[in-house]
Order: sequence, then C-alpha cells, then structure tokens
Amino acid sequence: QITLKESGPTLVKPSQTLTLTCTFSGFSLTTSHVGVGWIRQPPGKTLEWLALVYWDDDKRYSPSLNSRLTITKDTSKNQVVLTMTNMDPVDTATYYCVYRVWLGAPTSGGYGLDAWGQGTTVIVSS
Amino acid sequence: EIVLTQSPGTLSLSPGESATLSCRASQSLYPNYLSWYQQKPGQAPRLLIYGAFNRATGIPDRFSGSGSGTDFTLTISRLEPEDIAVYYCQQYGSSSGTFGQGTKVEIK
Repeated sequence: QITLKESGPTLVKPSQTLTLTCTFSGFSLTTSHVGVGWIRQPPGKTLEWLALVYWDDDKRYSPSLNSRLTITKDTSKNQVVLTMTNMDPVDTATYYCVYRVWLGAPTSGGYGLDAWGQGTTVIVSS
Repeated sequence: EIVLTQSPGTLSLSPGESATLSCRASQSLYPNYLSWYQQKPGQAPRLLIYGAFNRATGIPDRFSGSGSGTDFTLTISRLEPEDIAVYYCQQYGSSSGTFGQGTKVEIK
C-alpha cells in the first residue's frame, strides 16, 4: 500500500521561506519512471501543479513559480522536500504530496497521480 | 503553458442520469498525458482515469473517458449520490502539468 504524508508549518509569515516534507512508503523513488511531486489548492479554488522530482533526479517546476521553488529527494529516508521562498498571503493553500507513475500498457497507458497525501494547510499571515 | 478549460462549471442531475464533462486543451495533447480526478468535499483528489480512457484501480465502470487532440470527455453513467464531487482534468506535457478549473457535479 502506497502512502504519502506531508509535514511542515501551518503558519508562515510573509517573505519567509516555506519548507514542506513528504514522507512516503510503499514504493521506491529509485524505480524507473516514478516521480513524487507537489500540488496545492487555495481555499475554494482549483488545483495547481508546483513541482516534480523523478527517480533519476530530474526536476520539473511550474513555469510561473520556478524562481521560488526547489524540490529535492532523499531516497534513504523516503522523503521529498519542497522549499518555496518569499511567501505571500496568496500562497495560502492546502499543499498535497503526490505519487506519479506510468500506469497500464506501454503504448495505451498513461501517467497518473496514483496516490495523494492527505494534504497540509499552510496559512501565510503576519 | 497548456491551458485546460472545463465545462460546464456545475452540473445538476438526478440519480440514474448520465453526466458528460468536457475538458478542452489550448493545444493538442498526447492522450497518455491526460487524466481525470475526483475530489469529494474535505478530501484529497483521487485518480479516476489515466491515459484519457483507462480506469484506475477500483474505479467503477460507470466512469469512462474518451477523446483525443484537444477535446476530452469524462462520462459518468447511472449517476449515484456518492458521485457528488468536483472533477478535474489534468495534463502533463513538455515540462509541466496543469489542471482544469473543475466541474462540480450536484445531485438534484
């Protein structure tokens, strides 16, 4: 069974740096084509894809947030860490850790976010 | 960046009816990179469909996906009260992923 759990501060002041940790189990981030990423959801709004790190340490970021985000992995601890600099009240959201994997047949299958953490709420306020 | 536009914003139907949810992309997508998610109130999203038309593990066959190019559809047949949720399409292409704004399904 695959599980992911997010941890980090609930309250962050404007201009501070947010550090979130995703601790996972049930899979290895050394397995080919596996990735772990972060997605956020402001209250009452849609989902926003933030960043993803692949098994081979390739990293991808949202173009609009690229300059503020860093994602790293520690395969020995089964953890992925996301840092976001210069936090602003508009960054208030629930932040989810996700497991991305190729599902199904090689040609007719597809990528899916096959498991999600429960989410952690981050409030940005002075 | 690819933009996904979902319609309608809200769908209100009676139990047993069919729901048709649309997802339109600003540019053509590989079907392998189009997925659908269900988010019930207070819960994290759950994968429904991957690769445009493949049901994820444990998803009832009432849920089906179709489409190609820029137009994709999620169909929920025989709507049940437990299907009350917001449904999102998502694409992952080039180097980043985006979500649609969601379609809320309500039961009359």
